Amino acid sequence: LAKTTQPISMDSYEGQEVNITCSHNNIATNDYITWYQQFPSQGPRFIIQGYKTKVTNEVASLFIPADRKSSTLSLPRVSLSDTAVYYCLVARRGSGAGSYQLTFGKGTKLSVIP
Amino acid sequence: DAGVTQSPTHLIKTRGQQVTLRCSPKSGHDTVSWYQQALGQGPQFIFQYYEEEERQRGNFPDRFSGHQFPNYSSELNVNALLLGDSALYLCASSLGSSGNTIYFGEGSWLTVV
Repeated sequence: LAKTTQPISMDSYEGQEVNITCSHNNIATNDYITWYQQFPSQGPRFIIQGYKTKVTNEVASLFIPADRKSSTLSLPRVSLSDTAVYYCLVARRGSGAGSYQLTFGKGTKLSVIP
Repeated sequence: DAGVTQSPTHLIKTRGQQVTLRCSPKSGHDTVSWYQQALGQGPQFIFQYYEEEERQRGNFPDRFSGHQFPNYSSELNVNALLLGDSALYLCASSLGSSGNTIYFGEGSWLTVV
């Protein structure tokens, strides 16, 4: 399994940039990195996905160094509504078509303070 | 464009009973996975279906079984329910052939009493 390690919790003030780093030392060549956000009692919501270097979308940026053994999710100017659990995952392909799975860790509980 | 939909949203079962949870994937998706999320924990992979076959399975007993229909919808069945089966059951879908982005439904809350 592609195990990930990330901080259990982080606090940030509103308006600040938040960076959450995740390590995935046993990432394989065909794996890619995905981040999800989850609010209590809801399903995980896709944030961003990447393979290497930098990916940016309307809500976040994802930085992946050349060795791909870690990644950093960057949330610009967080608001109170960004308080949630953030999961870093490695999506690993299986041997057949349509065969892959996500391995969730415990995630990072981000608390945004007014 | 409907996302991943699951039913029922909440249900209560008695220990020893059987339960069936249902999932309709996001439009255009052909691969469905099921996850179990206990309170305070991350989701745990149960199994994945593609082309109506189970393609991968996590570390769950045979009491957990599933099915995928020709329209790509899926069911998760759990037999002989235990108190420890109480959890949020999440369905996720994607376009399997490309390993594209995986989308989750809002889940089905199962309480076993």
